[in-house]
Amino acid sequence: QVHLVQSGAEVKKPGASVKVSCKASGYTFTDDYIHWVRQAPGQGLEWMGWINPKNDGTNYAERFQGRVTMARDTSISTAYMELTRLTSDDTAVYYCARDGAHSVGAVWAFDIWGQGTMVIVSS
Amino acid sequence: SYDLTQPLSVSVALGQTARITCGGDNIGSKNVHWYQQKPGQAPVLVIYEDTNRPSGIPERFSGSNSGNTATLTISGAQAGDEADYYCQMGVFGGGTKLTVL
Repeated sequence: QVHLVQSGAEVKKPGASVKVSCKASGYTFTDDYIHWVRQAPGQGLEWMGWINPKNDGTNYAERFQGRVTMARDTSISTAYMELTRLTSDDTAVYYCARDGAHSVGAVWAFDIWGQGTMVIVSS
Repeated sequence: SYDLTQPLSVSVALGQTARITCGGDNIGSKNVHWYQQKPGQAPVLVIYEDTNRPSGIPERFSGSNSGNTATLTISGAQAGDEADYYCQMGVFGGGTKLTVL
């Protein structure tokens, strides 16, 4: 069965950085892009960017450019998302999600999601 | 950037048909995906590329897309369908809260 399992909740101070991991299982990790999406409390979904695990290519949403870095370790089928210079506005649940280009044949359809990682930014 | 507009809320009587719209400039020429999200859970893909259901999604979920509006239709709405629904085409719509009365 296909799974994405994320790291646990984090509490950070303003100005700090956070790194969230997303471990894939049940499929070939390098076959599908991994996207990162966040959701602030009571708010909607916000796409942050993607990483291509095959070649480490990335594409970030404009509003996160310069603050986000996505990476992967193919040896352990794990993707990472690091966000720097945190503010209280970054308090949110962060999700990784698999692109369904291979599984359902639809690019940008996120067919498998991680369970989410709560990041709280507070002084 | 491309904006997707959804109503904040939609209500439907138990067993009736709910329609959730997603508006965008010439959205009918693009592929739209739909997600269901229940409280405290990750989103679930319910429709991809306008009209297709992933395996395991009930047949009562269907989609259409034409002109400036994409629509998610839930036929015979059940209490368990109460959730937030998001359209997506790269970016996400703002989400619609579906209430089953």
